[in-house]
Parts: sequence; structure tokens; C-alpha cells
Amino acid sequence: GDSVTQMEGPVTLSEEAFLTINCTYTATGYPSLFWYVQYPGEGLQLLLKATKADDKGSNKGFEATYRKETTSFHLEKGSVQVSDSAVYFCALSEDAGKSTFGDGTTLTVKP
Amino acid sequence: DAGVIQSPRHEVTEMGQEVTLRCKPISGHDYLFWYRQTMMRGLELLIYFNNNVPIDDSGMPEDRFSAKMPNASFSTLKIQPSEPRDSAVYFCASSLSGTTYNEQFFGPGTRLTVL
Repeated sequence: GDSVTQMEGPVTLSEEAFLTINCTYTATGYPSLFWYVQYPGEGLQLLLKATKADDKGSNKGFEATYRKETTSFHLEKGSVQVSDSAVYFCALSEDAGKSTFGDGTTLTVKP
Repeated sequence: DAGVIQSPRHEVTEMGQEVTLRCKPISGHDYLFWYRQTMMRGLELLIYFNNNVPIDDSGMPEDRFSAKMPNASFSTLKIQPSEPRDSAVYFCASSLSGTTYNEQFFGPGTRLTVL
């Protein structure tokens, strides 16, 4: 079955540091890939997405590239801010039904 | 667009009591999902519906949990009787088929505390 493996957290960075959160997946077909973000006390919200190989999703300075050859979708940001502190979930969806989520990675950014 | 609406936002109850959580999906969405989130177990899919029909309830922990979707704009998750280990944040999400991405839209969650 489908699965998503995320880099274990928590991750603690200083403001303006470079961020990478690793994500690899296993799927039978050609899934869409997502990063969701969950701020404290809130539900998950979509951060970025990609539907096919070599697509790059981007939003709010975050980027992730769909790498079919390595089955990866790593999340990156060049300069994190305190406001980026949240839990980040990698996810995939193969059809119109359910998505498969990773375990989440908690990011804390210190001023 | 109002987004996914959940009620109540917080619920505190005593062990043995019945708890009902409510969800209104985004209008026009045909998929609805119920999740549970805890520190120990992370985000778990409990059940999901397509066009008001339950498709997969394999994540429902036990018979004390039940979910219904009587129409396209309303769903409930019921726990009877509730136990302290049911304490968690319960999320409802909806999505629309026929789109390229199949992204899910989450509600703000209901924080349930069972004493």
C-alpha cells in the first residue's frame, strides 16, 4: 500500500537558517504530492502541491520538487522566520479518495 | 467560502457519556473524512465518505465509534460510551473529486477531553 516517510523531528532552527524536511513515498501509481502545515491550535492547511515528475510546488518561500526517480518530495525554505514554527505533513493522493499522510515534523524557529 | 465547519470546538465530558461531533463540509465537495490526532498516535484516518456513503471505516477504533452522513452538508461522529483514551483532537476534512490535485480542506478541529 501507499506510505509516506518523513524526517523525524523535532527540528529547531535559528531565524534566517535554511530548512530542509525530507519526505519519501511509496505508491503503486503516479500520485499527487502535498505538503500541509498545521499551526498551533488549528487544522491542517495546504502549503504546496505537485502532480507530476519534476513539478515544483511553491508557496510563502517554501519549495518542493517532485522527484520520481528518488520517490522524494523534500520541503525547503531558504530563510525561516519565527512565524514558520508549525508541524509540517507530507502527503500523497493517488485518486479522488483518501490521502496518505506522513507522521509530521515539528519545526521550531528561535529568534 | 466558509470552509469546513466543525462544532463544538471544545468538548469536556465524563467517562461513559455520549459525545457527538459535527461537521459541515465545503459546499459541493463530495468526499468527507474524519481524523483523530493525538501526541502518541499522530494523525489517524477514522472513516471517509463519498457522496454520503461510507467507503472505508477500517480506522474506526471500536464499536463505540459511529459516523453518519445523512446529507451532503452534514456529518456526525458519535462516541458512546466515551472513555478517557478517546481524548484527542478530531478533524473533519472535505475534498472534491475530478480535480487535478485532490487536496483536502480541514476544519479547525474539536478538542475532546474525557475525564
